[in-house]
Amino acid sequence: AQKITQTQPGMFVQEKEAVTLDCTYDTSDQSYGLFWYKQPSSGEMIFLIYQGSYDEQNATEGRYSLNFQKARKSANLVISASQLGDSAMYFCAMREWEGNQFYFGTGTSLTVIP
Amino acid sequence: GAVVSQHPSRVICKSGTSVKIECRSLDFQATTMFWYRQFPKQSLMLMATSNEGSKATYEQGVEKDKFLINHASLTLSTLTVTSAHPEDSSFYICSAPADTAYEQYFGPGTRLTVT
Repeated sequence: AQKITQTQPGMFVQEKEAVTLDCTYDTSDQSYGLFWYKQPSSGEMIFLIYQGSYDEQNATEGRYSLNFQKARKSANLVISASQLGDSAMYFCAMREWEGNQFYFGTGTSLTVIP
Repeated sequence: GAVVSQHPSRVICKSGTSVKIECRSLDFQATTMFWYRQFPKQSLMLMATSNEGSKATYEQGVEKDKFLINHASLTLSTLTVTSAHPEDSSFYICSAPADTAYEQYFGPGTRLTVT
């Protein structure tokens, strides 16, 4: 079974609007971390936001927030006030504390329309 | 935050030759480093886990004799693609997990083109 599922291969959003990128995960561990990374066309992986499995509050980092619904095993990324520079691939990832390995989703390509 | 570098950033080589890619942790020690391969418009696929002072652990389906990994020091891991073929053309990314934080630090990647 896929550890991380991103069901939106491509998304479009109008500049200044908010957009939600979906991510669901599968784990039987109690302790795990969830991450979102941005990958622009240059290829570098840019860390955006982190949510720990025991964190009760949703993580926020500037215009990024993570909508964490533990019972549903979802960790959606919300980008508010989209900017043209937000156009990129976005990957959801999970780290289970039992090991060092990260599991990545298939990614969502976000295009911000002026 | 911690910095991981990769060299070279781009390389073009002829089929049959070998290419070495270096991954360095610049301001921290990394006993473990990960090597990923990413094909266009696809996700990162873990190839192997590089362990300082011991043999690398390869993921299923990754040929260890073709992708040689050496983690000779706490700041350097190398991936050598031996007898490269056009199908090895890809974006190779290394990363190192943080000791105290939860994330991992990624290198900027190496784009390999085999002609």
